[in-house]
Amino acid sequence: AQKITQTQPGMFVQEKEAVTLDCTYDTSDQSYGLFWYKQPSSGEMIFLIYQGSYDEQNATEGRYSLNFQKARKSANLVISASQLGDSAMYFCAMRVPGGSGGYNKLIFGAGTRLAVHP
Amino acid sequence: GAVVSQHPSWVICKSGTSVKIECRSLDFQATTMFWYRQFPKQSLMLMATSNEGSKATYEQGVEKDKFLINHASLTLSTLTVTSAHPEDSSFYICSVSKGLAGPEGSYNEQFFGPGTRLTVL
Repeated sequence: AQKITQTQPGMFVQEKEAVTLDCTYDTSDQSYGLFWYKQPSSGEMIFLIYQGSYDEQNATEGRYSLNFQKARKSANLVISASQLGDSAMYFCAMRVPGGSGGYNKLIFGAGTRLAVHP
Repeated sequence: GAVVSQHPSWVICKSGTSVKIECRSLDFQATTMFWYRQFPKQSLMLMATSNEGSKATYEQGVEKDKFLINHASLTLSTLTVTSAHPEDSSFYICSVSKGLAGPEGSYNEQFFGPGTRLTVL
Protein backbone atom coordinates (compact mmCIF):
# COMPACT_ATOMS: atom_id res chain seq x y z
CA ALA A 1 0.00 0.00 0.00
CA GLN A 2 1.13 3.53 -0.69
CA LYS A 3 1.87 5.44 2.46
CA ILE A 4 3.75 8.46 3.76
CA THR A 5 5.04 8.43 7.34
CA GLN A 6 6.18 11.45 9.31
CA THR A 7 7.20 10.29 12.76
CA GLN A 8 7.89 13.68 14.31
CA PRO A 9 4.68 15.38 15.49
CA GLY A 10 6.67 18.41 16.61
CA MET A 11 10.17 19.79 16.31
CA PHE A 12 11.98 22.71 17.92
CA VAL A 13 14.97 24.51 16.47
CA GLN A 14 16.97 27.55 17.40
CA GLU A 15 16.95 30.42 14.95
CA LYS A 16 19.79 30.25 12.39
CA GLU A 17 20.36 26.54 12.99
CA ALA A 18 19.57 23.71 10.60
CA VAL A 19 16.77 21.22 11.15
CA THR A 20 15.84 17.93 9.50
CA LEU A 21 12.24 16.81 9.16
CA ASP A 22 11.84 13.10 8.57
CA CYS A 23 9.72 11.44 5.91
CA THR A 24 9.57 7.83 4.85
CA TYR A 25 7.38 6.42 2.14
CA ASP A 26 6.11 3.11 0.91
CA THR A 27 5.17 2.36 -2.66
CA SER A 28 5.60 -0.44 -5.14
CA ASP A 29 5.50 1.94 -8.08
CA GLN A 30 8.72 2.60 -9.97
CA SER A 31 7.75 6.13 -10.91
CA TYR A 32 6.72 8.52 -8.18
CA GLY A 33 7.38 12.02 -6.95
CA LEU A 34 7.96 13.40 -3.49
CA PHE A 35 6.93 16.85 -2.34
CA TRP A 36 7.27 18.95 0.74
CA TYR A 37 4.71 21.60 1.58
CA LYS A 38 4.63 24.23 4.30
CA GLN A 39 1.32 25.16 5.91
CA PRO A 40 1.40 28.26 8.13
CA SER A 41 -1.42 29.05 10.52
CA SER A 42 -3.29 30.80 7.71
CA GLY A 43 -3.89 27.39 6.15
CA GLU A 44 -2.46 27.86 2.69
CA MET A 45 -0.28 25.07 1.32
CA ILE A 46 3.06 26.40 0.10
CA PHE A 47 5.12 24.21 -2.21
CA LEU A 48 8.73 23.94 -1.06
CA ILE A 49 10.58 21.27 -3.00
CA TYR A 50 10.12 18.30 -5.35
CA GLN A 51 12.13 15.11 -5.91
CA GLY A 52 11.43 12.68 -8.73
CA SER A 53 12.04 9.00 -8.17
CA TYR A 54 14.50 8.80 -11.05
CA ASP A 55 16.37 11.93 -10.08
CA GLU A 56 19.75 10.84 -8.73
CA GLN A 57 20.68 14.22 -7.31
CA ASN A 58 19.12 15.61 -4.16
CA ALA A 59 16.78 18.50 -4.88
CA THR A 60 17.63 21.92 -3.50
CA GLU A 61 15.62 25.14 -3.40
CA GLY A 62 17.31 27.96 -1.56
CA ARG A 63 17.45 27.07 2.14
CA TYR A 64 15.56 23.83 1.52
CA SER A 65 17.16 20.60 0.47
CA LEU A 66 15.78 17.12 0.22
CA ASN A 67 17.90 14.23 1.46
CA PHE A 68 16.65 11.48 -0.85
CA GLN A 69 17.69 7.96 0.06
CA LYS A 70 15.84 5.72 -2.34
CA ALA A 71 17.00 2.40 -0.90
CA ARG A 72 15.79 3.45 2.53
CA LYS A 73 12.66 5.04 1.05
CA SER A 74 13.27 8.26 2.88
CA ALA A 75 12.95 11.86 1.73
CA ASN A 76 13.94 14.08 4.62
CA LEU A 77 13.64 17.85 4.37
CA VAL A 78 16.58 19.89 5.58
CA ILE A 79 16.03 23.56 6.37
CA SER A 80 19.24 25.47 6.80
CA ALA A 81 19.62 28.72 8.73
CA SER A 82 16.13 28.53 10.27
CA GLN A 83 14.12 31.73 10.48
CA LEU A 84 11.24 32.65 12.76
CA GLY A 85 8.98 32.65 9.73
CA ASP A 86 9.71 28.97 9.19
CA SER A 87 7.44 28.09 12.12
CA ALA A 88 4.60 26.13 10.53
CA MET A 89 3.27 22.66 9.77
CA TYR A 90 5.29 20.74 7.20
CA PHE A 91 3.79 17.98 5.11
CA CYS A 92 5.57 15.38 3.07
CA ALA A 93 3.54 14.12 0.11
CA MET A 94 3.93 11.53 -2.59
CA ARG A 95 2.55 11.67 -6.11
CA VAL A 96 1.55 8.28 -7.35
CA PRO A 97 0.19 7.34 -10.75
CA GLY A 98 -3.19 5.86 -11.28
CA GLY A 99 -5.21 7.65 -8.62
CA SER A 100 -8.98 7.61 -8.81
CA GLY A 101 -10.05 8.30 -12.35
CA GLY A 102 -6.55 7.59 -13.62
CA TYR A 103 -5.08 10.90 -12.56
CA ASN A 104 -1.99 11.44 -10.48
CA LYS A 105 -2.88 11.62 -6.85
CA LEU A 106 -1.14 13.14 -3.85
CA ILE A 107 -1.08 11.33 -0.54
CA PHE A 108 0.09 13.24 2.52
CA GLY A 109 1.88 12.37 5.72
CA ALA A 110 0.50 13.41 9.10
CA GLY A 111 2.73 16.46 9.23
CA THR A 112 5.38 17.87 11.54
CA ARG A 113 4.89 21.11 13.43
CA LEU A 114 8.11 23.11 13.47
CA ALA A 115 8.70 25.83 16.03
CA VAL A 116 11.66 28.14 15.54
CA HIS A 117 12.86 29.81 18.71
CA PRO A 118 14.76 33.13 18.78
CA GLY B 1 3.37 28.16 -10.93
CA ALA B 2 -0.34 28.73 -10.84
CA VAL B 3 -2.44 31.15 -8.84
CA VAL B 4 -5.52 29.63 -7.24
CA SER B 5 -8.25 31.41 -5.33
CA GLN B 6 -11.11 30.13 -3.20
CA HIS B 7 -14.30 31.81 -2.16
CA PRO B 8 -15.40 32.21 0.50
CA SER B 9 -12.39 32.02 2.77
CA TRP B 10 -14.65 31.11 5.65
CA VAL B 11 -18.33 30.37 6.09
CA ILE B 12 -20.64 29.61 8.98
CA CYS B 13 -23.95 27.96 8.24
CA LYS B 14 -26.82 26.27 10.00
CA SER B 15 -27.21 22.52 10.04
CA GLY B 16 -29.25 21.30 7.10
CA THR B 17 -28.33 24.08 4.70
CA SER B 18 -26.13 23.79 1.62
CA VAL B 19 -22.89 25.64 1.10
CA LYS B 20 -21.06 26.26 -2.17
CA ILE B 21 -17.30 26.77 -2.30
CA GLU B 22 -15.64 28.10 -5.44
CA CYS B 23 -12.14 27.30 -6.63
CA ARG B 24 -10.69 29.43 -9.42
CA SER B 25 -7.52 29.04 -11.40
CA LEU B 26 -6.57 32.66 -12.11
CA ASP B 27 -3.70 32.33 -14.55
CA PHE B 28 -3.92 28.84 -15.92
CA GLN B 29 -6.56 26.74 -17.63
CA ALA B 30 -6.96 23.75 -15.39
CA THR B 31 -8.37 20.59 -16.86
CA THR B 32 -7.97 18.87 -13.52
CA MET B 33 -8.64 20.21 -10.05
CA PHE B 34 -8.61 18.39 -6.74
CA TRP B 35 -10.65 18.87 -3.58
CA TYR B 36 -9.19 18.05 -0.18
CA ARG B 37 -10.55 18.13 3.34
CA GLN B 38 -8.46 18.79 6.42
CA PHE B 39 -9.80 18.28 9.93
CA PRO B 40 -8.12 20.17 12.79
CA LYS B 41 -4.60 18.98 13.52
CA GLN B 42 -4.84 16.37 10.78
CA SER B 43 -3.46 15.93 7.32
CA LEU B 44 -5.08 16.62 3.97
CA MET B 45 -7.34 13.91 2.62
CA LEU B 46 -8.23 13.85 -1.06
CA MET B 47 -11.98 13.91 -1.54
CA ALA B 48 -12.34 13.95 -5.29
CA THR B 49 -10.77 14.75 -8.62
CA SER B 50 -12.64 17.32 -10.65
CA ASN B 51 -12.38 17.11 -14.42
CA GLU B 52 -13.58 19.87 -16.74
CA GLY B 53 -16.62 18.85 -18.69
CA SER B 54 -17.10 15.48 -17.03
CA LYS B 55 -18.20 13.98 -13.76
CA ALA B 56 -15.90 14.17 -10.77
CA THR B 57 -14.18 11.06 -9.51
CA TYR B 58 -14.63 10.52 -5.78
CA GLU B 59 -12.32 8.78 -3.36
CA GLN B 60 -13.57 5.76 -1.49
CA GLY B 61 -15.78 6.71 1.42
CA VAL B 62 -16.70 10.17 0.10
CA GLU B 63 -20.42 10.57 -0.52
CA LYS B 64 -20.88 11.96 -4.01
CA ASP B 65 -24.48 12.98 -3.32
CA LYS B 66 -23.40 15.01 -0.33
CA PHE B 67 -20.36 16.68 -1.86
CA LEU B 68 -21.42 17.86 -5.30
CA ILE B 69 -18.60 18.92 -7.58
CA ASN B 70 -19.05 20.87 -10.79
CA HIS B 71 -16.16 21.76 -13.09
CA ALA B 72 -17.99 23.76 -15.70
CA SER B 73 -15.02 25.66 -17.12
CA LEU B 74 -11.26 25.46 -17.26
CA THR B 75 -10.97 28.08 -14.54
CA LEU B 76 -13.73 27.20 -12.10
CA SER B 77 -14.65 24.21 -9.99
CA THR B 78 -17.29 24.30 -7.27
CA LEU B 79 -17.85 22.07 -4.27
CA THR B 80 -21.33 22.12 -2.74
CA VAL B 81 -21.79 20.58 0.67
CA THR B 82 -25.45 19.60 0.73
CA SER B 83 -27.47 19.34 3.93
CA ALA B 84 -24.42 20.23 5.96
CA HIS B 85 -24.03 18.86 9.49
CA PRO B 86 -21.61 19.78 12.26
CA GLU B 87 -19.38 16.83 11.36
CA ASP B 88 -18.83 18.45 7.95
CA SER B 89 -17.06 21.35 9.66
CA SER B 90 -13.58 21.31 8.23
CA PHE B 91 -11.02 23.15 6.14
CA TYR B 92 -11.63 22.53 2.44
CA ILE B 93 -8.73 23.11 0.05
CA CYS B 94 -8.67 22.87 -3.71
CA SER B 95 -5.70 22.50 -5.99
CA VAL B 96 -5.03 22.65 -9.71
CA SER B 97 -2.83 20.21 -11.54
CA LYS B 98 -0.25 21.65 -13.91
CA GLY B 99 2.35 19.86 -15.95
CA LEU B 100 5.92 21.00 -15.42
CA ALA B 101 9.28 19.99 -16.86
CA GLY B 102 11.73 18.33 -14.50
CA PRO B 103 15.10 16.57 -14.67
CA GLU B 104 13.39 13.24 -15.24
CA GLY B 105 10.86 14.59 -17.69
CA SER B 106 7.47 16.14 -17.19
CA TYR B 107 5.55 15.76 -13.98
CA ASN B 108 2.33 17.11 -12.54
CA GLU B 109 2.49 19.53 -9.68
CA GLN B 110 -0.46 20.68 -7.66
CA PHE B 111 -0.92 24.33 -6.73
CA PHE B 112 -3.21 24.92 -3.81
CA GLY B 113 -5.84 27.50 -3.07
CA PRO B 114 -5.89 29.31 0.27
CA GLY B 115 -8.64 27.09 1.64
CA THR B 116 -12.17 27.60 2.97
CA ARG B 117 -12.99 27.07 6.60
CA LEU B 118 -16.52 25.72 7.01
CA THR B 119 -18.27 25.75 10.36
CA VAL B 120 -21.68 24.13 10.62
CA LEU B 121 -23.69 25.04 13.68
